[in-house]
Amino acid sequence: QKEVEQNSGPLSVPEGAIASLNCTYSDRGSQSFFWYRQYSGKSPELIMFIYSNGDKEDGRFTAQLNKASQYVSLLIRDSQPSDSATYLCAVNRRGGADGLTFGKGTHLIIQP
Amino acid sequence: DVKVTQSSRYLVKRTGEKVFLECVQDMDHENMFWYRQDPGLGLRLIYFSYDVKMKEKGDIPEGYSVSREKKERFSLILESASTNQTSMYLCASSQGDRIAGYTFGSGTRLTVV
Repeated sequence: QKEVEQNSGPLSVPEGAIASLNCTYSDRGSQSFFWYRQYSGKSPELIMFIYSNGDKEDGRFTAQLNKASQYVSLLIRDSQPSDSATYLCAVNRRGGADGLTFGKGTHLIIQP
Repeated sequence: DVKVTQSSRYLVKRTGEKVFLECVQDMDHENMFWYRQDPGLGLRLIYFSYDVKMKEKGDIPEGYSVSREKKERFSLILESASTNQTSMYLCASSQGDRIAGYTFGSGTRLTVV
């Protein structure tokens, strides 16, 4: 069973600070990596995806991938109370059509 | 706005009933998926389909079946509902070989009593 591991939290971060969310995965063959945000009672929504080693930035969000260490992270700059949610890391199972394996999520709380 | 629509937001069914959960997407996506989400267990893949009439088992297919007669519609069937199938069920779709990310439906919260 391929695994994706996240710290469940809660991770508490002051408003305006950088929130850092981490994820490790077990399958070295994984090629596609995703971060989803899920508000309580809602379905997950895609924030970012990354395929290549290094950093990928989109607004206040930066995804970081290190395939050698099997490690993915998400940085949220200038954290806002509206960023309070559960963040799910996901990794492709095999080919693109075979779906994603999700971590159990990290609960992030941004303190005003 | 692209959408994945799940027919029911809340369902309450009795043990032993046959239950149908419906999912429709309007994005012409090839791939469709059914997950269930439980506290402490996260999202787990039940079944998926990459083409009409095609289906593949996910990680927890026992007690479930699926049907995909049309590209836009993917149905999850609980043959004989049991209380341990009480859960949030999420449908998702994606395009092509390289996942650009799922689009999820709003979910169906199923309670089996």
